[in-house]
Amino acid sequence: DAEITQSPRHKITETGRQVTLACHQTWNHNNMFWYRQDLGHGLRLIHYSYGVQDTNKGEVSDGYSVSRSNTEDLPLTLESAASSQTSVYFCASSDSTGWNTEAFFGQGTRLTVV
Amino acid sequence: GENVEQHPSTLSVQEGDSAVIKCTYSDSASNYFPWYKQELGKRPQLIIDIRSNVGEKKDQRIAVTLNKTAKHFSLHITETQPEDSAVYFCAALLQGAQKLVFGQGTRLTINP
Repeated sequence: DAEITQSPRHKITETGRQVTLACHQTWNHNNMFWYRQDLGHGLRLIHYSYGVQDTNKGEVSDGYSVSRSNTEDLPLTLESAASSQTSVYFCASSDSTGWNTEAFFGQGTRLTVV
Repeated sequence: GENVEQHPSTLSVQEGDSAVIKCTYSDSASNYFPWYKQELGKRPQLIIDIRSNVGEKKDQRIAVTLNKTAKHFSLHITETQPEDSAVYFCAALLQGAQKLVFGQGTRLTINP
């Protein structure tokens, strides 16, 4: 069955370190997204991609970057981790063709910056 | 850009009663409005959605209504059960943009 997976599920890192969160989907979806979830803020969009070599900034992109070298993967990099980036991160994907715009989410990565 | 406001942030109802969660959106060009349910420690999952060409959609105990003129949509859960306890998110998708903008979420608690 097609799926979307994130790794790691939990990560503790130190302030100032570079961290990369992985997202891999086998839906063959063109669209991929990274959200962060914080209490009281819901799901906020960090970066998104509509296809290979395409990346776009979301509403909370400062301190984060992504790259899209193939259809399946959209890794999220924290250039220099800060305590404010402690959060739960969700990757999602959706189809860009036809009428089906449902977004499928990964299991989430809980990141703690100490 | 699109902005989605969701109310209330928390909702507690007695088992068997109905629950209503409301959302407003800012961009009249948005044309797709899904609702996601997130159980504790789990990923958000789609439970129902509605497109701008219809005013209401039902699926067993859940229904969604859309008022395009007022730019608001609501989730209705009837005959609530303990397994309905979760965080619910509304979202809006801007036509052509393909990215969902989410509301802040509602924590629904069903009291036995």
